[in-house]
Amino acid sequence: EDQVTQSPEALRLQEGESSSLNCSYTVSGLRGLFWYRQDPGKGPEFLFTLYSAGEEKEKERLKATLTKKESFLHITAPKPEDSATYLCAVLRYQLIWGAGTKLIIKP
Amino acid sequence: DVKVTQSSRYLVKRTGEKVFLECVQDMDHENMFWYRQDPGLGLRLIYFSYDVKMKEKGDIPEGYSVSREKKERFSLILESASTNQTSMYLCASSLLAEGEQYFGPGTRLTVT
Repeated sequence: EDQVTQSPEALRLQEGESSSLNCSYTVSGLRGLFWYRQDPGKGPEFLFTLYSAGEEKEKERLKATLTKKESFLHITAPKPEDSATYLCAVLRYQLIWGAGTKLIIKP
Repeated sequence: DVKVTQSSRYLVKRTGEKVFLECVQDMDHENMFWYRQDPGLGLRLIYFSYDVKMKEKGDIPEGYSVSREKKERFSLILESASTNQTSMYLCASSLLAEGEQYFGPGTRLTVT
C-alpha cells in the first residue's frame, strides 16, 4: 500500500539549532515529492518539488533532499518565524500526504 | 500571486442539513481540488476537477458531491451532514494536474 510517513510528529528547537525533518515513502512509480508549510489556521503553502533521487533544492534556511526512499527537509539556524507544520506529499496518480511535522522554534 | 478563497472560515451546521462550501480561484487554473484535514491524518482527497463540468472521485467521496459550472469556482456539497464530517476542508487549485497546488485558507466545519 502506498504510504507517506513523516517523523518526528513534533520537534522543538532553540533558535539557531539546526535539524532535519524526515519524510519516508513506500510509493512505487514516484513522479514527484512536494514539501509544504502550513501555519495555524491557514492552508498549506508550497515550498519545493523534487523529482529524482539526488536532487536538492534550497530556499532561505530550508534545504530539501531526495533519495529513493525518503526526503529530508534540513533547517539551518532556524528562527521563531520558521515555526509551522511541514507537510510532505508524494505524487503517484494523485498526491499522497504525510501527517506532517510540527516544528516549534523557541527564541 | 495565486489567490484561492473559500466562502466561510467557520461553519456550524446541524446533522442532516445540506451544506455548501464554495471555492474561487483567480489564476485561470484548470485543476481544482477538495481535501479534508483531520488531526494526525494527512490531507485526504475528496474530489477533484480538471475542467469545467468534469469531476473525479478522490479517496473519500462518500457523502460528498461537487459542482464546477465555471472554471474559477468549485463547490463541495454535503448532501446530509453527519457528525463524522466535522473537519477542516481545504480547497486547492493548480495550473498543471501534477504541479504545485495553491490552497485556500480552509473552512472549519462543525456538525452537531
